Amino acid sequence: QSVLTQPPSASGTPGQRVTISCSGSSSNIGSNNVNWYQQFPGTAPKVLIYSNDQRPSGVPDRFSGSKSGTSASLAISGLQSEDEADYYCAAWDDSLNGVVFGRGTKLSVL
Amino acid sequence: QVQLQESGPGLVKPSETLSLTCAVSAYSISSGYYWGWIRQPPGKGLEWIGSMFHSGITHYNPSLKSRVIISVDTSKNQFSLKLSSVTAADTAVYYCARHSDIPSWGQGTLVTVSS
Repeated sequence: QSVLTQPPSASGTPGQRVTISCSGSSSNIGSNNVNWYQQFPGTAPKVLIYSNDQRPSGVPDRFSGSKSGTSASLAISGLQSEDEADYYCAAWDDSLNGVVFGRGTKLSVL
Repeated sequence: QVQLQESGPGLVKPSETLSLTCAVSAYSISSGYYWGWIRQPPGKGLEWIGSMFHSGITHYNPSLKSRVIISVDTSKNQFSLKLSSVTAADTAVYYCARHSDIPSWGQGTLVTVSS
């Protein structure tokens, strides 16, 4: 059972704005940074957002992250067909001394 | 830019020990950060296996703790994973990673447990 809670699926039409939520607890999201990963079939997860709201170079500014208390969210604006992928949230957990992940959200672009 | 590369057998027999190595380049493991292993069974989500601080302190997922050992070879700038008594449920893509402000992951390696 994953420690972080994400919706299993999300969808939107091209151009729309979609948000994916991630809920945790005081030992993970509440006290540590959240990272978001994008994964396409057969490939390794790619860092999309790090430290709650930072984008690595090369990630379009259509992707944004935020955190409040023990929850975080990923927003994708101007949705494009190539955004269809699985998205995972992750955070360090002080109780485990390890990384906890959400179960992933499958994004469909209709 | 740090790079990580997993290597090891792609096929392991049930009850045997899975052994993987992560070679790190462009950064010295002994300089800092946590280094860890994550796996992803086919069609499923990501699972943290364990992590090792650059000093050698280790932390393991409680669900795997009795079967896992993570160790480091600073002379080769690499760290390793050993998972004992494997079953089909351990079939997965195994990733090594650096847990830093901007995490870095290897490309992953598929390990199948089958006789």
